[in-house]
Amino acid sequence: DAGVTQSPTHLIKTRGQQVTLRCSPISGHKSVSWYQQVLGQGPQFIFQYYEKEERGRGNFPDRFSARQFPNYSSELNVNALLLGDSALYLCASSFSGGGETQYFGPGTRLLVL
Amino acid sequence: GQSLEQPSEVTAVEGAIVQINCTYQTSGFYGLSWYQQHDGGAPTFLSYNALDGLEETGRFSSFLSRSDSYGYLLLQELQMKDSASYFCAGDLSGKLIFGQGTELSVKP
Repeated sequence: DAGVTQSPTHLIKTRGQQVTLRCSPISGHKSVSWYQQVLGQGPQFIFQYYEKEERGRGNFPDRFSARQFPNYSSELNVNALLLGDSALYLCASSFSGGGETQYFGPGTRLLVL
Repeated sequence: GQSLEQPSEVTAVEGAIVQINCTYQTSGFYGLSWYQQHDGGAPTFLSYNALDGLEETGRFSSFLSRSDSYGYLLLQELQMKDSASYFCAGDLSGKLIFGQGTELSVKP
């Protein structure tokens, strides 16, 4: 079975632009979470979605938004990009999202110039 | 606040055993997970402790004591390919809170 997939793998944007990142969970998993990992640090939680509903939100500005589709895939949108948004964006999937293993995708590396 | 503390780096030789500790200051964790991450790669799941005690998976074992707010990852028969960053993560009902990571260097 395929694991979590993310696209694109790499992205270069300039300040002020908008970006959309995509994630497809493991087949049968209904929960998707997004994390931001800055170089040298642990991943930071951004959002969790379960059954198309937002279940949790981390300490990120409103420039960050996400949604989950009926097929459980998900998009993360970031508006008005800042240099500090440069990071590895990770998507993780799990069956129901609570108290169980989350499996990570390969990530999208975003560079903001 | 919620935080997990782990050593920033550990060095060991091939074939040895190494223990990476994780202490946390929070409540309500469903469990404690461990992930391995090689440079530029995705975090790879290693283990999940939902209950106190020891979980063993091949060369890797993980331990959790909720009363002590403490856990550890034990790696046996170290191999060069084990050189990577290791993260403990507390599970808050689907929201993973990660430690800053421990960089493990395995020397020949």
